[in-house]
Amino acid sequence: QVQLVQSGAEVKKPGASLRVSCKASGYTITSHDIHWVRQATGHGPEWMGWMNPNSGDTGYAQKFRGRLTMTGNISTNTAHMELDSLTSDDTAVYYCARSRVPLGGVLIVVFDNWGQGTRVTVSS
Amino acid sequence: DIQMTQSPSSLSASVGDRVTITCQASHDIGNYLNWYQQKPGKAPTLLISDASNLETGAPSRFSGSGSGTDFNFTISRLQSEDIATYFCQQYDDVPLTFGGGTKVEMK
Repeated sequence: QVQLVQSGAEVKKPGASLRVSCKASGYTITSHDIHWVRQATGHGPEWMGWMNPNSGDTGYAQKFRGRLTMTGNISTNTAHMELDSLTSDDTAVYYCARSRVPLGGVLIVVFDNWGQGTRVTVSS
Repeated sequence: DIQMTQSPSSLSASVGDRVTITCQASHDIGNYLNWYQQKPGKAPTLLISDASNLETGAPSRFSGSGSGTDFNFTISRLQSEDIATYFCQQYDDVPLTFGGGTKVEMK
């Protein structure tokens, strides 16, 4: 059974960097794209970007370009998301999500499995 | 960016009621729309893909319809376990975007 298990909650200072991990089990990470979505309290989800763990190809939402990096570690079947230059606006729960269509990029994006979420608080 | 306007933002209904949520896209997205259920403190769960395809294992009381810019999500007979927030998501264009959510509460 497919499962995505994320790293634990983080508290960061403004200006710091964030790294969240997403360990996959039940399937090989190279077979499906991984997307990252965040959700601030009381708001709808916000898509951040995607990664093809097989090729390393990535695509980031415009608002995050320049401070967002998505990578994958095939040996540990884990995806990582790094967000730099944090501000209080980055306070949210961060989710990794698997796209059902194998390696479809952003052509057909149906999130069939999600991580449990990582709560991130950015505060001085 | 494609804006997804979801309404209502919240609703209160009784067990057995029919509940309908709408999602309006700012551009024609064909049927490239999914619906998710999110219970408090949990990750979203996919219920409907491609506007009207019910996920395997999802109760048949859930349904979706629509195409282009106007979409509906319906719970035919509300059950207590359906108390959650529901979101639509388009994948016609990037950035992928979600509706603001509809919180369904029990009356």
